Amino acid sequence: AQSVTQLDSQVPVFEEAPVELRCNYSSSVSVYLFWYVQYPNQGLQLLLKYLSGSTLVESINGFEAEFNKSQTSFHLRKPSVHISDTAEYFCAVIDTDKLIFGTGTRLQVFP
Amino acid sequence: GAGVSQSPRYKVAKRGQDVALRCDPISGHVSLFWYQQALGQGPEFLTYFQNEAQLDKSGLPSDRFFAERPEGSVSTLKIQRTQQEDSAVYLCASSSWLGYTFGSGTRLTVV
Repeated sequence: AQSVTQLDSQVPVFEEAPVELRCNYSSSVSVYLFWYVQYPNQGLQLLLKYLSGSTLVESINGFEAEFNKSQTSFHLRKPSVHISDTAEYFCAVIDTDKLIFGTGTRLQVFP
Repeated sequence: GAGVSQSPRYKVAKRGQDVALRCDPISGHVSLFWYQQALGQGPEFLTYFQNEAQLDKSGLPSDRFFAERPEGSVSTLKIQRTQQEDSAVYLCASSSWLGYTFGSGTRLTVV
């Protein structure tokens, strides 16, 4: 079965600093990976996804993630964070049609 | 509708009470998923429907949990004889080839 691991439960960072949220997946022949964001008391929103093709995927709000097969990683990055990026971020992988989520990383952006 | 709708938004149940949580998926979405998200945790898969067929219920934690989707549209997650450990946010998602869309969830508190 597929799984993902998010090693960092919390990542504190100052506004305008760069950030990286780590995600590693269990190796498989083919893998489809996602990053979701959850703001307080809200549902999950898709940030970006990797299905195939270019290993670098980008979101509309400045986040990007790179699929790295050799390191089985799909880390999420942003070169300059805003206060409004404070949220919980979940990495996920598809396993027989269903999404399997990591335990989440709480990104806290300080002014 | 435009998105996945879940009701009620909040539910407080006395221990031992039965509850029913409703999910209205996006019109035309064949697949529907239920997840349980405990406080501070990632969403955990409960069960999955394709139309009215329940294809996977491996994540249901006990026989007190039951889900149905009789006409292949609206789904109901029922929890019998609720216990305190059932307190969580219950998320519903529907999917098409475009991806997965999540509802805002039902926050269940068992007192």
